[in-house]
Amino acid sequence: DQQVKQNSPSLSVQEGRISILNCDYTNSMFDYFLWYKKYPAEGPTFLISISSIKDKNEDGRFTVFLNKSAKHLSLHIVPSQPGDSAVYFCAAPGGNEKLTFGTGTRL
Amino acid sequence: NAGVMQNPRHLVRRRGQEARLRCSPMKGHSHVYWYRQLPEEGLKFMVYLQKENIIDESGMPKERFSAEFPKEGPSILRIQQVVRGDSAAYFCASSAGLATLHEQYFGPGTRLTVT
Repeated sequence: DQQVKQNSPSLSVQEGRISILNCDYTNSMFDYFLWYKKYPAEGPTFLISISSIKDKNEDGRFTVFLNKSAKHLSLHIVPSQPGDSAVYFCAAPGGNEKLTFGTGTRL
Repeated sequence: NAGVMQNPRHLVRRRGQEARLRCSPMKGHSHVYWYRQLPEEGLKFMVYLQKENIIDESGMPKERFSAEFPKEGPSILRIQQVVRGDSAAYFCASSAGLATLHEQYFGPGTRLTVT
């Protein structure tokens, strides 16, 4: 049962353009969402988060949008830079705050 | 402030051997989570521990896997009689406390290869 889904395994974007990474979830009990960035041979690093009481959170070049009715969130990176090339995971904490991760999108 | 440490970074075991993976949380963190990432998949929760206590092991296989977080020393994930399907990257994450459990800081992972 995949409660957090990232349907695009990969995404290619030109430097300077916008990157949009998408994530869908099925569990309506999730009330907090996180995006992690992962480089090869390293652990995930926290990027940005959003609470379900908000529909947008911005941090520099990174903005996360949450559409609760559609159970959908997206991460926007503007402008995209070569150093942004990595695998991006969305995640949601459940009981005991254990994180449920999507399968990742390679940017 | 040192981050989460994991060792070894790479571990090769033959089928039937035991694998021991160690995780030292960030200084001041007393909550540890273990996750496993199979090839081409996302990370999957395995177990959540506090010092000397297993809080949630709902993601742990019922057999061959065990975890501990003693009062002194690192957290240990132990896999007995490893099989090829155990080959994966194992990550631990630490957190400071109940109010910030979702703020988990990950170590670099241990890549286990079973031959």
